[in-house]
Amino acid sequence: QQQVKQSPQSLIVQKGGISIINCAYENTAFDYFPWYQQFPGKGPALLIAIRPDVSEKKEGRFTISFNKSAKQFSLHIMDSQPGDSATYFCAASKGSARQLTFGSGTQLTVLP
Amino acid sequence: EPEVTQTPSHQVTQMGQEVILRCVPISNHLYFYWYRQILGQKVEFLVSFYNNEISEKSEIFDDQFSVERPDGSNFTLKIRSTKLEDSAMYFCASSVRGTGETQYFGPGTRLLVL
Repeated sequence: QQQVKQSPQSLIVQKGGISIINCAYENTAFDYFPWYQQFPGKGPALLIAIRPDVSEKKEGRFTISFNKSAKQFSLHIMDSQPGDSATYFCAASKGSARQLTFGSGTQLTVLP
Repeated sequence: EPEVTQTPSHQVTQMGQEVILRCVPISNHLYFYWYRQILGQKVEFLVSFYNNEISEKSEIFDDQFSVERPDGSNFTLKIRSTKLEDSAMYFCASSVRGTGETQYFGPGTRLLVL
């Protein structure tokens, strides 16, 4: 029930295309959903985050879509660029707890 | 821009040895965390620390692990008697406050237990 399931495991997209990564959760107590981007040899860095009181949040080329009833959320990267090639992790935390529960990660490759 | 730093970047140790991983969180942050990432797997929470005490810990964080803030800047993770399965990348993170706040991650320490 603590898990966050992420798909796909890997994704290859052409430059300029849309990258879509999906996550699903079971625990309805989760109330904070960040996405992290990780480059090789680096720590995860926050990309964008959403709370369940909104269905969508957009920051530049990055959009989170949130479906509370389906317990799913997704990251959309518009106009994907080769510099976006990285591993993306969704995560969730609940209430007063601070620990992040991470998904398994998606390795995104954007071809030039 | 302030960042979380970690030392060493790599550590190789023999099974059964003690290791101490060090972190310097961002200076005005109050909450500190350790996570680990076994090669090719997801990032897993170990422990969170606030006001000089552990606030949460996972099942992974057993008696072999301990954390300490020995001074005003460092935050350490000690593994008393390392096992082969402790080989992983260990990330320190910090946040200004706790719930729902951005956690800033350091670059990690890659620990290899032989």
